[in-house]
Amino acid sequence: GAVVSQHPSRVICKSGTSVKIECRSLDFQATTMFWYRQFPKQSLMLMATSNEGSKATYEQGVEKDKFLINHASLTLSTLTVTSAHPEDSSFYICSARVRGFSNQPQHFGDGTRLSIL
Amino acid sequence: AQKVTQAQTEISVVEKEDVTLDCVYETRDTTYYLFWYKQPPSGELVFLIRRNSFDEQNEISGRYSWNFQKSTSSFNFTITASQVVDSAVYFCALSEESGSRLTFGEGTQLTVNP
Repeated sequence: GAVVSQHPSRVICKSGTSVKIECRSLDFQATTMFWYRQFPKQSLMLMATSNEGSKATYEQGVEKDKFLINHASLTLSTLTVTSAHPEDSSFYICSARVRGFSNQPQHFGDGTRLSIL
Repeated sequence: AQKVTQAQTEISVVEKEDVTLDCVYETRDTTYYLFWYKQPPSGELVFLIRRNSFDEQNEISGRYSWNFQKSTSSFNFTITASQVVDSAVYFCALSEESGSRLTFGEGTQLTVNP
């Protein structure tokens, strides 16, 4: 089946650090990837939709300059949390849609647990 | 706007009991897709089922069953003879296309006690 790899699985770093999270589709091409954020004991909220070769579409209330998304190839999207602060601590999870199969469910990565000290 | 409501924040049952997780949704789309995901403590999302708005047939998969009632905008999930390994957070979700952005409910924490 389609596999999405997300790396790293866990990050602990100091306030002010920028953190990059990678989302890779291992055995398929993904023109569209999605980035979600989940605070403890809360639901998953869509942050942005990442389209290969174009700018990401951000949801209302999500700072574009804070959460930089790059989707440079059909198998890789990255989310960079710039100058992270403790309030950015959360579980970030990506998903990917198989190219040419918009009718198929998204495939999710295993998530990245980000802790900012 | 789309909305998914899971009114049950937490449910606790004893092993072998049956349990139903409720999901109510709102959408203006005539074509839409409903999903259930399981999120164990490790955090990953496990896909359980997808149902499109034109298919109201109930589905059974082992101990799992789903009841889609378009008239009441509900998509409930029942686990029969629950097991400790069923303990997780369960999310109901909605999208306008099967592979497009998902709107998640708040989730239901299910705890199955031995």
